[in-house]
Amino acid sequence: DAGVIQSPRHEVTEMGQEVTLRCKPISGHDYLFWYRQTMMRGLELLIYFNNNVPIDDSGMPEDRFSAKMPNASFSTLKIQPSEPRDSAVYFCASSLRRAGGNEQYFGPGTRLTVT
Amino acid sequence: AQSVSQHNHHVILSEAASLELGCNYSYGGTVNLFWYVQYPGQHLQLLLKYFSGDPLVKGIKGFEAEFIKSKFSFNLRKPSVQWSDTAEYFCAVQTGANNLFFGTGTRLTVIP
Repeated sequence: DAGVIQSPRHEVTEMGQEVTLRCKPISGHDYLFWYRQTMMRGLELLIYFNNNVPIDDSGMPEDRFSAKMPNASFSTLKIQPSEPRDSAVYFCASSLRRAGGNEQYFGPGTRLTVT
Repeated sequence: AQSVSQHNHHVILSEAASLELGCNYSYGGTVNLFWYVQYPGQHLQLLLKYFSGDPLVKGIKGFEAEFIKSKFSFNLRKPSVQWSDTAEYFCAVQTGANNLFFGTGTRLTVIP
């Protein structure tokens, strides 16, 4: 399996622009997670989906952030409008629910810079 | 609410030194425990996990961790570190839901 795929790997944009990050989970996985990593705040869970349905979006910073999962093999995280404080590495992860527990597999991340 | 504490923010060791990174969590119920590693510029990779059974778990690259339920701890150990172990290490706890609660991470620098 190719693992979790994210695109783009790097994104540089100007403040106010819309940014869309993409994620393809591992085939067959039924959970998908979006994280943000910064030096100041570490690794934060933004939102996660189960079977394409958002379960917990309490980590989404504000209304400028939105996430969708239209099907089992694709998810997007959108920031509109973007701000310099959104600069971070955004990771997508997926997992398969198993009795007893499951580990998450992380994608390579998208490094976002908002100028 | 669940929380995960990694008290060591930055650890510097010489090659061949022994390593122990602390991880404590606060949650009274059943937990699954993980250690992830993030090499410079890379994504998080699973080092080892504990779901049940033997509280001493062995992971990849010679790492191991011990779950001590009475202390709410899951410390990571390696008897002899290598320069290639330089990375950031994250402890994580999974409770009834499927999401993980991560600690703030410990940066390990190994000096050749």
